[in-house]
Amino acid sequence: EPEVTQTPSHQVTQMGQEVILRCVPISNHLYFYWYRQILGQKVEFLVSFYNNEISEKSEIFDDQFSVERPDGSNFTLKIRSTKLEDSAMYFCASSSSWDTQYFGPGTRLTVL
Amino acid sequence: KNEVEQSPQNLTAQEGEFITINCSYSVGISALHWLQQHPGGGIVSLFMLSSGKKKHGRLIATINIQEKHSSLHITASHPRDSAVYICAVLTSGSRLTFGEGTQLTVNP
Repeated sequence: EPEVTQTPSHQVTQMGQEVILRCVPISNHLYFYWYRQILGQKVEFLVSFYNNEISEKSEIFDDQFSVERPDGSNFTLKIRSTKLEDSAMYFCASSSSWDTQYFGPGTRLTVL
Repeated sequence: KNEVEQSPQNLTAQEGEFITINCSYSVGISALHWLQQHPGGGIVSLFMLSSGKKKHGRLIATINIQEKHSSLHITASHPRDSAVYICAVLTSGSRLTFGEGTQLTVNP
């Protein structure tokens, strides 16, 4: 069964460094999403992406964040200058339309 | 107040019991999702509902749009059902707003 994959599974970085989290959505999906979950808290929407542009973004998704679909398969989330509070699990998801979303296994980001 | 409220927060059941998890929301929605989060963190989509009822195996999800309420039922519960169950609503366009989740533990 097709699945969403994410790399790396765990990323450790120093505060102020840039990180890129990578996702490979399901191949025929057109809608892509990033979510985050701070340890012990609920999942939060970050951004949705369709037709090579951001469809919607949350208040969390400030100028430090960017998303890109650099080729036909990858979907990336970049955090330009990480802060301690960016430590969280980041989930990528994809869907074929605005319906059932398929989630990746997540990347645990730890900012020291 | 959270836009999406789930109850109970924690639920412990014996194998075989019928389980109900509730979700209430305070905003207009176009659809509601039920998700399952495994102990390792992975998230699986169980249902997407905009009206009525859906069934998949031992899982049943219902939604009452007028009352802004949804329930997830598990029949003949099993220890492998132990997970966090999350209600999330699609409020505008593509934005999902999540509940806090219900931690379900099913004991053998």
